[in-house]
Amino acid sequence: KQEVTQIPAALSVPEGENLVLNCSFTDSAIYNLQWFRQDPGKGLTSLLLIQSSQREQTSGRLNASLDKSSGRSTLYIAASQPGDSATYLCAVFRNNNDMRFGAGTRLTVKP
Amino acid sequence: KAGVTQTPRYLIKTRGQQVTLSCSPISGHRSVSWYQQTPGQGLQFLFEYFSETQRNKGNFPGRFSGRQFSNSRSEMNVSTLELGDSALYLCASSSVPGQGMNTEAFFGQGTRLTVV
Repeated sequence: KQEVTQIPAALSVPEGENLVLNCSFTDSAIYNLQWFRQDPGKGLTSLLLIQSSQREQTSGRLNASLDKSSGRSTLYIAASQPGDSATYLCAVFRNNNDMRFGAGTRLTVKP
Repeated sequence: KAGVTQTPRYLIKTRGQQVTLSCSPISGHRSVSWYQQTPGQGLQFLFEYFSETQRNKGNFPGRFSGRQFSNSRSEMNVSTLELGDSALYLCASSSVPGQGMNTEAFFGQGTRLTVV
């Protein structure tokens, strides 16, 4: 059974800091991994999608890495801003076509 | 290009009632998946529809059902509502089945269901 764990559950940092969010999964038989952002009471916004054959993806201040063999992914946010405050979720897409989500990391960036 | 649209945004129902939620995918997308999000369980997969056929189903009781129409719009139905069904229900669309396979999933804003 695929389990997805995100550490830490919550994180508070001052504006400008670089930070890393962690995601681990138990079953390496995945098609890809996707990082999402969720603002309170709202749906999910896709941030980065990493195919199983890829090691990392970058978009602006965001960089996500994937190590399938160790079952880990990290989301790196550079020069954090108050607008980055949200819950960040990682999701793995399994071979049987469903998506498993982590519980998320709630990020607060203080001005 | 319009995004994924879910209606209604908010809903309050009484235990024992039934509810129908609607999801209109991005134009051209034929795959729609439904998810339940609760504080205790997080995001959980309900089911996926592609071309009016249910392709995959999560571990939910038979009270949860869905369907997809020829225009790819999907509805989700929950019968005999229980307090524990209170949640944010999200749908996601993608252009190919088995969303997440080489393509992104695009989510709607969700329907927040409260059962009292």
